[in-house]
Amino acid sequence: EAQVTQNPRYLITVTGKKLTVTCSQNMNHEYMSWYRQDPGLGLRQIYYSMNVEVTDKGDVPEGYKVSRKEKRNFPLILESPSPNQTSLYFCASSPQGYNQPQHFGDGTRLSIL
Amino acid sequence: GESVGLHLPTLSVQEGDNSIINCAYSNSASDYFIWYKQESGKGPQFIIDIRSNMDKRQGQRVTVLLNKTVKHLSLQIAATQPGDSAVYFCAENGALDSSYKLIFGSGTRLLVRP
Repeated sequence: EAQVTQNPRYLITVTGKKLTVTCSQNMNHEYMSWYRQDPGLGLRQIYYSMNVEVTDKGDVPEGYKVSRKEKRNFPLILESPSPNQTSLYFCASSPQGYNQPQHFGDGTRLSIL
Repeated sequence: GESVGLHLPTLSVQEGDNSIINCAYSNSASDYFIWYKQESGKGPQFIIDIRSNMDKRQGQRVTVLLNKTVKHLSLQIAATQPGDSAVYFCAENGALDSSYKLIFGSGTRLLVRP
């Protein structure tokens, strides 16, 4: 089954404790992206990647890092999480770019205390 | 389920009626538009897309209309069903610079009354 898989689905942690949210897609897509979703603000892009070893900032990259060492994986790293990063996070992928429908994972709910 | 928006605009329709969800986009240079559906506890799901060289595109029970003159996008759902209840987002590609990203609207909640 074609899918985007995120882990964990839920995480409660404390300020300053580094965490990684993994994202993996099995569709051989080149483009991958991370979004955060907050009430009333819709989906905002954090980082995106056009292909392996090619990443770029989205609209809200502060406090986040990403890497794209393999085509299928695109982890989101919070080096020193803060409460304002409490949010619902989505990973997405598309075959070649942003001008194609993106397939989304089911989300990761992060709570930073 | 997950709460994606506490104060979203809400459209309430009777089962079997047609629904029209509207979206105003911001960037006149955008040339790609897309609609997503998000059910509680799930990620957004692609519904239909349209490019700026078209005014209308139809899918199964859904139609997207694009009016570039007034920068307006609409999603029409025919014979709305309870399973259509969800939050609907429009997005544009905001093609002004070299960034490769979609810009999402804040969403509309569709409630289908049985």
